[in-house]
Amino acid sequence: DAKTTQPNSMESNEEEPVHLPCNHSTISGTDYIHWYRQLPSQGPEYVIHGLTSNVNNRMASLAIAEDRKSSTLILHRATLRDAAVYYCISNAGNNRKLIWGLGTSLAVNP
Amino acid sequence: GAGVSQSPRYKVAKRGQDVALRCDPISGHVSLFWYQQALGQGPEFLTYFQNEAQLDKSGLPSDRFFAERPEGSVSTLKIQRTQQEDSAVYLCASSSAGTGRNTIYFGEGSWLTVV
Repeated sequence: DAKTTQPNSMESNEEEPVHLPCNHSTISGTDYIHWYRQLPSQGPEYVIHGLTSNVNNRMASLAIAEDRKSSTLILHRATLRDAAVYYCISNAGNNRKLIWGLGTSLAVNP
Repeated sequence: GAGVSQSPRYKVAKRGQDVALRCDPISGHVSLFWYQQALGQGPEFLTYFQNEAQLDKSGLPSDRFFAERPEGSVSTLKIQRTQQEDSAVYLCASSSAGTGRNTIYFGEGSWLTVV
């Protein structure tokens, strides 16, 4: 599984967009890019995932670089409930062993 | 149930005690995973089941850790002779299949403190 690197922490203001970056320079052609987030005292929650094309869902958008060595999770309008640790994970077709880093701790200011 | 359910939610064990942590995955989910998460760290893989078969147990830290899923649904993670370094959150997750494009759903975790 390819290693991912993310900033330790980021800060945003409520109702503003947030762009969370992730580098995965060793990613292979079949590795998916997954984003999960974890609120305090809860298990990780799925946010979004993609392979090559940009992806949108009700929670967020995922922008994947053309060379797939980086991606950006976009929260279009941050709310206080979006304060969490965001994990970017790259895994092979077999996702038996997701390798998690330390993630990005996002603080949202009112 | 609607999601992955874990019990107990919190467990305090005396050093040397055996503990058993239960996971009820989402109904019909073939794949089941156990992860260990220390304070301030990301989850670390422990083991993976496909139905009742334990296909990967490479993440289990020692032979004191044992997991089973005898009927391909409920799973139990057992830790024998607990030690202080076992204190962590134990997360169970399930997915409909084992391929990389499937979403993995996590439970809220079992918080183990060994004193």
